[in-house]
Amino acid sequence: NAGVMQNPRHLVRRRGQEARLRCSPVKGHSHVYWYRQLPEEGLKFMVYLQKENIIDESGMPKERFSAEFPKEGPSILRIQQVVRGDSAAYFCASSPQGQTPYTFGSGTRLTVV
Amino acid sequence: GENVEQHPSTLSVQEGDSAVIKCTYSDSASNYFPWYKQELGKGPQLIIDIRSNVGEKKDQRIAVTLNKTAKHFSLHITETQPEDSAVYFCAASPHSGGGADGLTFGKGTHLIIQP
Repeated sequence: NAGVMQNPRHLVRRRGQEARLRCSPVKGHSHVYWYRQLPEEGLKFMVYLQKENIIDESGMPKERFSAEFPKEGPSILRIQQVVRGDSAAYFCASSPQGQTPYTFGSGTRLTVV
Repeated sequence: GENVEQHPSTLSVQEGDSAVIKCTYSDSASNYFPWYKQELGKGPQLIIDIRSNVGEKKDQRIAVTLNKTAKHFSLHITETQPEDSAVYFCAASPHSGGGADGLTFGKGTHLIIQP
């Protein structure tokens, strides 16, 4: 059981570029959550997805951010036209059928220069 | 929405002593309270969790207590060891069965075990 796999581990983007973060859940898990962690802060909920459905995106910024979890393949968190304030660690968690506990990945550390 | 406060932000204890980290929450509907350990450069790892129908739960050197009336819960680590050094996060969710809203996290406690 490979656990939650996130890639890339580190991502550097210039201001205005797009960032794509990928998350492959634990095998058999159909629910994915994305969280953002700023330095010295706790994790902030962004979005909750099932396969092909966004269940709750109340934590997502209204612009430039989007997420998907297609029928096949990993979940993608997409940030368009990145700004310096987007620099953070982005963590994905998965669970079976939306049940607790959640399993977290090792995160993608995004740096915007 | 839910608000979780965590104290202290930094805790330094001598190896072998006990460490206690405390959290309070605001939403009385919350009924699932996990604790995560995060080491440098890694993702959070669940170390123990408790649901609202239980007041205390123990797993070897780690225990969690929950006071629903006062809306606070605490992590207790006994006989601390150097490998316990990490950042610890508490969290709360109104959905012990999972589902929408996800988890609301505290800001974390940096636990330092002094040899």
